[in-house]
Amino acid sequence: GAGVSQSPSNKVTEKGKDVELRCDPISGHTALYWYRQSLGQGLEFLIYFQGNSAPDKSGLPSDRFSAERTGGSVSTLTIQRTQQEDSAVYLCASSLVSGGPTDTQYFGPGTRLTVL
Amino acid sequence: AQTVTQSQPEMSVQEAETVTLSCTYDTSESDYYLFWYKQPPSRQMILVIRQEAYKQQNATENRFSVNFQKAAKSFSLKISDSQLGDAAMYFCGLLEYGNKLVFGAGTILRVKS
Repeated sequence: GAGVSQSPSNKVTEKGKDVELRCDPISGHTALYWYRQSLGQGLEFLIYFQGNSAPDKSGLPSDRFSAERTGGSVSTLTIQRTQQEDSAVYLCASSLVSGGPTDTQYFGPGTRLTVL
Repeated sequence: AQTVTQSQPEMSVQEAETVTLSCTYDTSESDYYLFWYKQPPSRQMILVIRQEAYKQQNATENRFSVNFQKAAKSFSLKISDSQLGDAAMYFCGLLEYGNKLVFGAGTILRVKS
């Protein structure tokens, strides 16, 4: 596709349920990033993939959060047993490579998650 | 650790006027990249401008330009001839080589007609 796409656009869930958020990066981009944007916390890094491996998971806030990437393309961010503090906009970005002059990150439109 | 500070939570500018958004950062690296992203109400983060730290020349993209002061670790964004469509949240970002973007808290820009 022309840009990074994310689905769903909005997700409302009940506390305790699991959710899956999907990111489809720009075709040919090998690096993929997940960020979270919440009131009072700004934009914070969650995890980064180079190909299918995740060299940096340092931003995942708890073991309820996990992410995977298959085929060097689509990535899924899973939040288990959601809590109200998980409510935020989850942004995905991709870049051609990680490191070097072509690592400008291009963002998707985000998924707004609301946990009731 | 990388840090990015945007000290202006909100700025206003009259249409057609010029406005400057401030950003300071801290990093121990000598090679890094700096970015300004714009986030309108649609929440899509849009790249405005990018600066490589090794380049002394300030980046320019049409009405957008930066004042990059490496020694002072300052990276301000100047918007000339402001337009209503420039109204958005602006984020300053720091990318160390092969690493994650670290963002400032953002500055809301309001454009008055």
